[in-house]
Amino acid sequence: DIQMTQSPSSLSASVGDRVTITCRASQGIGNNLAWYQQKPGTVPKLLIYGASTLQSGVPSRFSGSGSGTDFTLTISGLQPEDVATYYCQKYNSAPRTFGQGTRVEIK
Amino acid sequence: EVQLVESGGGLVQPGGSLRLSCAASGFTFTFFAMSWVRQAPGRGLEWVSTVSTSDGNTYYADSVKGRFTISKDNSKNTLYLQMNSLRAEDTAVYYCAKELVATIWGDAFDAWGQGTMVTVSS
Repeated sequence: DIQMTQSPSSLSASVGDRVTITCRASQGIGNNLAWYQQKPGTVPKLLIYGASTLQSGVPSRFSGSGSGTDFTLTISGLQPEDVATYYCQKYNSAPRTFGQGTRVEIK
Repeated sequence: EVQLVESGGGLVQPGGSLRLSCAASGFTFTFFAMSWVRQAPGRGLEWVSTVSTSDGNTYYADSVKGRFTISKDNSKNTLYLQMNSLRAEDTAVYYCAKELVATIWGDAFDAWGQGTMVTVSS
């Protein structure tokens, strides 16, 4: 099975900072990667699919890149409402594994 | 507006059974694969199972294979998860999730229910 590894597991940054989260697949998955945001006490929300396509309604400060085994989620200008845990997921074949999550906090 | 409403969670003893339901509305349920994802208290997301569309194929995480059964009743717009031989480690919030695109299966999850809590404890 393909493993999905996120780094870091948590980070603290200031409002306005550029934040980068990495997701690495143990084998190539093409661009079949999604990013989700889960704010405390809420349901996960799809941010990005196809590694780089922004889901409708998601602010443009979120962006995704990568293909194959290495992927990145970038928040260009962290906002207080971005405090959340972010998960990557490979979705095109079973098991549809999630990364372990990256918790983002405001410094 | 897409809505997914789970029900059926609760407290069950180890070895017991539960059936979760997910009532769907706001989209053509027949055309979309559906999945269950769970989240243990304080933990991350874990994909549990997917049922495809036209061919009805099902897929399971190794942790639930042989114990859980996913099914989809298109006439009732409802997704199910039959959970047997429950273990303490199955304790989690269970979410149903809809695929982004109307395909057999294999896309991101663009809509999630609010979740239903399953607690396995004596």
